Amino acid sequence: EAQVTQNPRYLITVTGKKLTVTCSQNMNHEYMSWYRQDPGLGLRQIYYSMNVEVTDKGDVPEGYKVSRKEKRNFPLILESPSPNQTSLYFCASSLGDRDIPHEQFFGPGTRLTVL
Amino acid sequence: DAKTTQPNSMESNEEEPVHLPCNHSTISGTDYIHWYRQLPSQGPEYVIHGLTSNVNNRMASLAIAEDRKSSTLILHRATLRDAAVYYCILRTHHGSSNTGKLIFGQGTTLQVKP
Repeated sequence: EAQVTQNPRYLITVTGKKLTVTCSQNMNHEYMSWYRQDPGLGLRQIYYSMNVEVTDKGDVPEGYKVSRKEKRNFPLILESPSPNQTSLYFCASSLGDRDIPHEQFFGPGTRLTVL
Repeated sequence: DAKTTQPNSMESNEEEPVHLPCNHSTISGTDYIHWYRQLPSQGPEYVIHGLTSNVNNRMASLAIAEDRKSSTLILHRATLRDAAVYYCILRTHHGSSNTGKLIFGQGTTLQVKP
């Protein structure tokens, strides 16, 4: 089954404790992206990647890092989480042709709480 | 980015058709009209997209006005599982400047009554 998986699905942590949220897709997609969803603010893009070793900032990248060492994986790293990063996070993937806006497939979400 | 306007909420009865409108008066010639939906406690899900002509797939139909300034997502027979927030999103291709970002507005919350 074609899918995007995220782990963990739920995480409660404390300020300053480094964490990684993993994202993996099995569709051989070039493009991957991370969004966060907050009440009243909708979904906002954090980082995206057009292909292996190619990443770029989205609209709200502060406090986050990403890496794209393999095509299927796109982990989101919070080096020193803070309470304002408490949010619902979604990973997405799609085919990577810049000239055609392909449909994006989303993961089930990771609900992060930073105390 | 061109903006879309949707009603905040709509109601439908189960097994009846639902027409979800979207206005996008500033759409450009290269903008595709995409629809996504987000069911409770799930990630967004692609529904359908089109450029100029009406489109049908297994989930829904998309009717695009001749001037492309508005479109309508049609669910032919709403079920309780169709209760979700529906987002109308314009997606453009700018070649090297395309970040692939989806701009989600507030969407339309669809309630389906049994």
